[in-house]
Amino acid sequence: KAGVTQTPRYLIKTRGQQVTLSCSPISGHRSVSWYQQTPGQGLQFLFEYFSETQRNKGNFPGRFSGRQFSNSRSEMNVSTLELGDSALYLCASSLLMADTEAFFGQGTRLTVV
Amino acid sequence: TQLLEQSPQFLSIQEGENLTVYCNSSSVFSSLQWYRQEPGEGPVLLVTVVTGGEVKKLKRLTFQFGDARKDSSLHITAAQPGDTGLYLCAGGNNQGGKLIFGQGTELSVKP
Repeated sequence: KAGVTQTPRYLIKTRGQQVTLSCSPISGHRSVSWYQQTPGQGLQFLFEYFSETQRNKGNFPGRFSGRQFSNSRSEMNVSTLELGDSALYLCASSLLMADTEAFFGQGTRLTVV
Repeated sequence: TQLLEQSPQFLSIQEGENLTVYCNSSSVFSSLQWYRQEPGEGPVLLVTVVTGGEVKKLKRLTFQFGDARKDSSLHITAAQPGDTGLYLCAGGNNQGGKLIFGQGTELSVKP
């Protein structure tokens, strides 16, 4: 069974630009969560999608958004990038509930210059 | 607000030593997961414990869930350099919320 796939693995963007990250969950998993990980802040929850609906949201500004498609694949978008958005962005896939067993992708390393 | 506190935050030991990492909360969790993460990679799920008092073993790693389901520990016997990484605990309630993560324990095992 294939794991969670995140693309791209690495990304360099300029301040003010926008970026879209993609996540394909494990086949059959319907819950997709996104996290931002930085050395100082640890893993911070961005949002969770289930059946194409945002079910939970963390404390991030509106520049961070996401969506989920009917095949459970998910994308997250960050607009008007800031230097502080540089981080490892992780996607986690769960069968039904985000607060049960979660399987992570390898992450997308975003660097904003 | 549910919180998970991990200790220690950093641990540097010699190959062959034993160590224990703790994950504590004042809240009850339905399940608790332990992950290991290497630099630049996503966390890899090691184990899930769901029953109070449960003990699970994975080769040299022993995981325990507290009787009251508020705390957990990870014990590594005879640590090896390959055990180096960030260890994360995460608790959940199976209610459609989000996983609560500890801050992590950075383990360095020197040859």
